[in-house]
Amino acid sequence: NAGVTQTPKFQVLKTGQSMTLQCAQDMNHEYMSWYRQDPGMGLRLIHYSVGAGITDQGEVPNGYNVSRSTTEDFPLRLLSAAPSQTSVYFCASSYSSSTGELFFGEGSRLTVL
Amino acid sequence: TQLLEQSPQFLSIQEGENLTVYCNSSSVFSSLQWYRQEPGEGPVLLVTVVTGGEVKKLKRLTFQFGDARKDSSLHITAAQPGDTGLYLCAGEGGTSYGKLTFGQGTILTVHP
Repeated sequence: NAGVTQTPKFQVLKTGQSMTLQCAQDMNHEYMSWYRQDPGMGLRLIHYSVGAGITDQGEVPNGYNVSRSTTEDFPLRLLSAAPSQTSVYFCASSYSSSTGELFFGEGSRLTVL
Repeated sequence: TQLLEQSPQFLSIQEGENLTVYCNSSSVFSSLQWYRQEPGEGPVLLVTVVTGGEVKKLKRLTFQFGDARKDSSLHITAAQPGDTGLYLCAGEGGTSYGKLTFGQGTILTVHP
């Protein structure tokens, strides 16, 4: 069972470059979300989606875009990377929009130089 | 944004010792979850508590939700090196309906 799959696992960008972090889940979960994890700050919610075609902002949305064209996929886009976006990014999904158990991917470590 | 304060931030103990991790907030949560994360992996759910005063046990781990649903604790009895990891509490409810707010985490190291 694949669960939540994130790609790439590691990425190095230069300031101003753009990229997309991919997230796919095969559990038919309606709820998907993106978090960033920084030392001493736990997990902070970037964007989330309660179903295909619906997205909303979390705690730290600036500099990131998302879309949800299918139930399975929830890509996170950085349009113009900044050093402050250096972090580990986690995609997570859940069965329902009211929070049940979150299933996390293995994370994507992004470094912006 | 509802804040969850976890303490301590770091915990280094010997195998066999007991420990307690605290998760506190000024806000009321409809539910609270505890996750454990190992290096290079995503967090994995340990337990969800939903009722004020609720106590749940998972082998040597005991989780408690405060009566007012503003705080929670995780107690580990006779810690083992395999318990080493990052422990995160996460709450949902109030102004954060449908979204989980995570605490900063507690890094636990259990030495053999």
